[in-house]
Amino acid sequence: EDQVTQSPEALRLQEGESSSLNCSYTVSGLRGLFWYRQDPGKGPEFLFTLYSAGEEKEKERLKATLTKKESFLHITAPKPEDSATYLCAASRGNEKLTFGTGTRLTIIP
Amino acid sequence: GAVVSQHPSWVICKSGTSVKIECRSLDFQATTMFWYRQFPKQSLMLMATSNEGSKATYEQGVEKDKFLINHASLTLSTLTVTSAHPEDSSFYICSARATSLEQYFGPGTRLTVT
Repeated sequence: EDQVTQSPEALRLQEGESSSLNCSYTVSGLRGLFWYRQDPGKGPEFLFTLYSAGEEKEKERLKATLTKKESFLHITAPKPEDSATYLCAASRGNEKLTFGTGTRLTIIP
Repeated sequence: GAVVSQHPSWVICKSGTSVKIECRSLDFQATTMFWYRQFPKQSLMLMATSNEGSKATYEQGVEKDKFLINHASLTLSTLTVTSAHPEDSSFYICSARATSLEQYFGPGTRLTVT
């Protein structure tokens, strides 16, 4: 059975304090690993797709990386507006996404 | 690009009535649309997958007669919650996918059944 596990469950950082969120996956025949951001009361916002181990993608203060077993979302010098829940999801190329339970990130001014 | 809308954003209905939620892909054609349900502080739970012009595929445990899904065109899918009860109160989110793997999500609909 496909599994996606995210850690930590919650993370509080001071503004400017860089850190990483982890997403471990057990998915046979991974075709894509996705990162989304979700604000309270809203739908998830697409951030990145990673297709193969070694791939990296960046967007503003965020950088996502992928290995054969896990993905990291690195947040550099975060700002309070980066506070959100970050979701990781994996696809085997069939239609479904397997989601992790998310990391709730809080950036303290 | 890749914008998905939902309507309404919130709805209150009385127990026993039905409510319809619309999901539209605004700037792309969605070959597949998905409906999710999310409980407070939990991740998304897939309810069903629908392809344009085909019957929806429901996940195990989801009552297909209660949650009616219609994917009438490449830009519109609807979810109708029939004979709603308070336990159906939840946050419903749709997503849409074109030919690539990425799913783009709508803003969600908060349903409250009184």
